[in-house]
Amino acid sequence: NAGVMQNPRHLVRRRGQEARLRCSPMKGHSHVYWYRQLPEEGLKFMVYLQKENIIDESGMPKERFSAEFPKEGPSILRIQQVVRGDSAAYFCASSPMSFRTGNGYTFGSGTRLTVV
Amino acid sequence: KNEVEQSPQNLTAQEGEFITINCSYSVGISALHWLQQHPGGGIVSLFMLSSGKKKHGRLIATINIQEKHSSLHITASHPRDSAVYICAVPNFGNEKLTFGTGTRLTIIP
Repeated sequence: NAGVMQNPRHLVRRRGQEARLRCSPMKGHSHVYWYRQLPEEGLKFMVYLQKENIIDESGMPKERFSAEFPKEGPSILRIQQVVRGDSAAYFCASSPMSFRTGNGYTFGSGTRLTVV
Repeated sequence: KNEVEQSPQNLTAQEGEFITINCSYSVGISALHWLQQHPGGGIVSLFMLSSGKKKHGRLIATINIQEKHSSLHITASHPRDSAVYICAVPNFGNEKLTFGTGTRLTIIP
Protein backbone atom coordinates (compact mmCIF):
# COMPACT_ATOMS: atom_id res chain seq x y z
CA ASN A 1 0.00 0.00 0.00
CA ALA A 2 1.77 3.09 -1.26
CA GLY A 3 0.04 5.54 1.03
CA VAL A 4 -1.22 8.93 -0.07
CA MET A 5 0.77 10.05 -3.10
CA GLN A 6 1.13 13.69 -3.95
CA ASN A 7 2.87 15.09 -6.96
CA PRO A 8 4.79 16.98 -7.78
CA ARG A 9 6.76 17.35 -4.55
CA HIS A 10 7.99 20.76 -5.63
CA LEU A 11 6.40 23.08 -8.17
CA VAL A 12 7.67 26.42 -9.36
CA ARG A 13 5.35 28.69 -11.27
CA ARG A 14 5.62 32.25 -12.55
CA ARG A 15 2.97 34.74 -11.56
CA GLY A 16 -0.08 34.32 -13.75
CA GLN A 17 0.52 30.67 -14.59
CA GLU A 18 -1.65 27.77 -13.52
CA ALA A 19 -0.67 25.23 -10.87
CA ARG A 20 -2.09 21.72 -10.76
CA LEU A 21 -1.50 19.62 -7.68
CA ARG A 22 -2.37 15.95 -7.65
CA CYS A 23 -3.32 13.64 -4.85
CA SER A 24 -3.86 9.90 -5.13
CA PRO A 25 -5.52 8.63 -1.95
CA MET A 26 -4.69 5.38 -0.30
CA LYS A 27 -6.26 2.34 -1.89
CA GLY A 28 -9.79 1.97 -0.61
CA HIS A 29 -10.03 5.55 0.63
CA SER A 30 -12.89 7.55 -0.84
CA HIS A 31 -12.53 10.75 1.19
CA VAL A 32 -9.93 13.38 0.33
CA TYR A 33 -9.03 16.56 2.20
CA TRP A 34 -6.76 19.39 1.10
CA TYR A 35 -4.90 21.62 3.56
CA ARG A 36 -2.60 24.56 3.04
CA GLN A 37 0.36 25.57 5.16
CA LEU A 38 1.55 29.09 4.51
CA PRO A 39 5.17 29.91 5.46
CA GLU A 40 5.55 30.12 9.24
CA GLU A 41 1.84 29.45 9.72
CA GLY A 42 -0.23 26.48 10.77
CA LEU A 43 -2.23 24.14 8.61
CA LYS A 44 -5.60 25.37 7.37
CA PHE A 45 -8.45 23.37 5.88
CA MET A 46 -9.29 24.08 2.26
CA VAL A 47 -11.69 21.49 0.86
CA TYR A 48 -13.19 18.06 1.53
CA LEU A 49 -14.20 15.82 -1.37
CA GLN A 50 -15.64 12.42 -1.94
CA LYS A 51 -15.66 10.73 -5.32
CA GLU A 52 -17.22 13.16 -7.82
CA ASN A 53 -18.56 15.40 -5.03
CA ILE A 54 -17.34 18.45 -3.19
CA ILE A 55 -18.61 18.09 0.36
CA ASP A 56 -17.16 21.20 1.99
CA GLU A 57 -15.17 23.92 0.26
CA SER A 58 -15.55 26.57 2.90
CA GLY A 59 -11.78 26.93 3.26
CA MET A 60 -11.13 27.57 -0.41
CA PRO A 61 -10.42 31.10 -1.59
CA LYS A 62 -13.38 32.32 -3.63
CA GLU A 63 -11.43 32.99 -6.77
CA ARG A 64 -8.78 31.12 -8.77
CA PHE A 65 -8.92 27.94 -6.67
CA SER A 66 -10.85 24.81 -7.58
CA ALA A 67 -10.75 21.14 -6.64
CA GLU A 68 -12.09 17.93 -8.05
CA PHE A 69 -12.03 14.24 -7.28
CA PRO A 70 -13.21 12.39 -10.39
CA LYS A 71 -14.54 8.87 -10.51
CA GLU A 72 -11.26 7.74 -11.99
CA GLY A 73 -7.88 9.23 -11.24
CA PRO A 74 -6.41 11.46 -8.58
CA SER A 75 -7.88 14.46 -6.84
CA ILE A 76 -6.69 17.72 -8.40
CA LEU A 77 -6.25 21.08 -6.71
CA ARG A 78 -6.04 23.74 -9.36
CA ILE A 79 -4.85 27.30 -8.86
CA GLN A 80 -5.30 29.66 -11.76
CA GLN A 81 -3.26 32.83 -12.30
CA VAL A 82 -1.02 32.16 -9.34
CA VAL A 83 0.27 35.02 -7.21
CA ARG A 84 3.20 35.14 -4.79
CA GLY A 85 0.82 34.74 -1.85
CA ASP A 86 -0.11 31.27 -3.11
CA SER A 87 3.39 30.04 -2.27
CA ALA A 88 2.82 27.41 0.40
CA ALA A 89 2.89 23.71 1.14
CA TYR A 90 -0.30 21.96 0.09
CA PHE A 91 -1.10 18.72 1.88
CA CYS A 92 -3.63 16.11 0.95
CA ALA A 93 -5.07 13.54 3.34
CA SER A 94 -7.39 10.63 2.75
CA SER A 95 -9.60 8.40 4.88
CA PRO A 96 -11.72 5.35 4.17
CA MET A 97 -14.83 6.97 5.56
CA SER A 98 -15.91 9.97 7.57
CA PHE A 99 -13.33 11.13 10.08
CA ARG A 100 -16.09 11.44 12.65
CA THR A 101 -16.38 7.69 12.78
CA GLY A 102 -12.91 7.54 14.18
CA ASN A 103 -11.09 6.23 11.13
CA GLY A 104 -7.86 8.05 10.78
CA TYR A 105 -6.44 10.28 8.19
CA THR A 106 -3.32 9.46 6.24
CA PHE A 107 -1.39 12.47 5.01
CA GLY A 108 0.64 12.80 1.87
CA SER A 109 4.12 14.32 1.74
CA GLY A 110 2.82 17.58 0.35
CA THR A 111 3.47 19.75 -2.68
CA ARG A 112 5.58 22.82 -2.11
CA LEU A 113 4.48 25.53 -4.49
CA THR A 114 6.76 28.47 -5.11
CA VAL A 115 5.52 31.38 -7.18
CA VAL A 116 8.25 33.55 -8.67
CA LYS B 1 -15.51 26.37 15.44
CA ASN B 2 -13.11 24.43 17.61
CA GLU B 3 -10.27 26.47 19.01
CA VAL B 4 -7.04 24.57 19.61
CA GLU B 5 -4.19 25.75 21.80
CA GLN B 6 -0.84 24.06 22.15
CA SER B 7 1.91 24.62 24.64
CA PRO B 8 4.73 25.21 24.69
CA GLN B 9 5.35 26.79 21.30
CA ASN B 10 9.03 25.95 21.45
CA LEU B 11 10.80 23.38 23.56
CA THR B 12 14.50 22.61 23.76
CA ALA B 13 15.68 19.71 25.86
CA GLN B 14 18.71 17.51 26.37
CA GLU B 15 18.82 14.04 24.92
CA GLY B 16 17.22 11.57 27.30
CA GLU B 17 14.80 14.00 28.90
CA PHE B 18 11.09 13.27 29.28
CA ILE B 19 9.05 15.56 27.03
CA THR B 20 5.45 16.71 27.46
CA ILE B 21 3.47 18.71 24.92
CA ASN B 22 -0.04 19.88 25.75
CA CYS B 23 -3.13 20.52 23.66
CA SER B 24 -6.42 22.07 24.77
CA TYR B 25 -9.53 22.47 22.65
CA SER B 26 -12.80 24.28 23.13
CA VAL B 27 -15.52 21.95 21.77
CA GLY B 28 -16.22 18.30 22.52
CA ILE B 29 -14.80 16.00 19.88
CA SER B 30 -14.96 12.41 18.69
CA ALA B 31 -11.22 11.98 18.32
CA LEU B 32 -7.98 13.95 18.39
CA HIS B 33 -4.91 13.63 16.20
CA TRP B 34 -1.25 14.06 17.07
CA LEU B 35 0.92 14.73 14.03
CA GLN B 36 4.64 15.09 13.46
CA GLN B 37 6.28 17.27 10.84
CA HIS B 38 10.00 17.44 10.18
CA PRO B 39 11.38 20.66 8.63
CA GLY B 40 10.45 20.75 4.97
CA GLY B 41 8.88 17.36 5.35
CA GLY B 42 5.55 15.68 5.16
CA ILE B 43 3.10 15.07 7.94
CA VAL B 44 3.04 11.81 9.82
CA SER B 45 0.05 10.83 11.88
CA LEU B 46 1.32 9.61 15.25
CA PHE B 47 -1.92 8.91 17.07
CA MET B 48 -5.64 9.23 16.79
CA LEU B 49 -7.34 8.82 20.12
CA SER B 50 -10.79 9.33 21.51
CA SER B 51 -10.26 8.26 25.12
CA GLY B 52 -7.64 7.15 27.59
CA LYS B 53 -4.12 6.53 26.47
CA LYS B 54 -2.16 5.12 23.54
CA LYS B 55 1.47 4.11 23.37
CA HIS B 56 3.76 3.54 20.43
CA GLY B 57 7.39 2.96 21.19
CA ARG B 58 8.66 5.94 23.18
CA LEU B 59 5.58 8.01 22.40
CA ILE B 60 2.56 8.15 24.67
CA ALA B 61 -0.62 10.14 24.06
CA THR B 62 -3.33 10.74 26.61
CA ILE B 63 -6.66 12.49 26.40
CA ASN B 64 -9.14 13.74 29.00
CA ILE B 65 -12.44 14.28 27.24
CA GLN B 66 -14.08 16.00 30.22
CA GLU B 67 -11.27 18.53 30.52
CA LYS B 68 -10.84 18.86 26.75
CA HIS B 69 -7.13 18.29 27.04
CA SER B 70 -4.57 15.97 25.53
CA SER B 71 -0.87 15.45 26.12
CA LEU B 72 1.88 13.91 24.04
CA HIS B 73 4.83 12.48 25.95
CA ILE B 74 8.18 11.34 24.64
CA THR B 75 10.32 9.19 26.89
CA ALA B 76 14.12 8.98 26.55
CA SER B 77 14.10 11.74 23.93
CA HIS B 78 16.55 11.56 21.05
CA PRO B 79 17.79 14.18 18.54
CA ARG B 80 15.79 12.45 15.81
CA ASP B 81 12.64 13.39 17.73
CA SER B 82 13.35 17.02 16.80
CA ALA B 83 10.32 18.12 14.78
CA VAL B 84 7.13 20.12 15.00
CA TYR B 85 4.33 18.32 16.82
CA ILE B 86 0.80 19.33 15.97
CA CYS B 87 -2.52 18.40 17.51
CA ALA B 88 -5.64 18.51 15.39
CA VAL B 89 -9.33 18.17 16.15
CA PRO B 90 -12.44 18.01 13.98
CA ASN B 91 -14.91 20.85 14.09
CA PHE B 92 -18.09 19.68 15.71
CA GLY B 93 -20.57 18.52 13.13
CA ASN B 94 -18.31 18.58 10.10
CA GLU B 95 -15.17 17.11 8.65
CA LYS B 96 -12.72 19.97 8.88
CA LEU B 97 -9.68 19.55 11.03
CA THR B 98 -8.55 22.51 13.07
CA PHE B 99 -4.88 22.44 13.91
CA GLY B 100 -2.90 23.79 16.80
CA THR B 101 -0.04 26.09 15.95
CA GLY B 102 2.44 23.33 16.69
CA THR B 103 5.24 22.81 19.18
CA ARG B 104 8.76 23.01 17.79
CA LEU B 105 10.83 20.46 19.67
CA THR B 106 14.62 20.47 19.57
CA ILE B 107 16.56 17.72 21.30
CA ILE B 108 20.21 18.52 21.90
CA PRO B 109 22.69 15.63 21.93
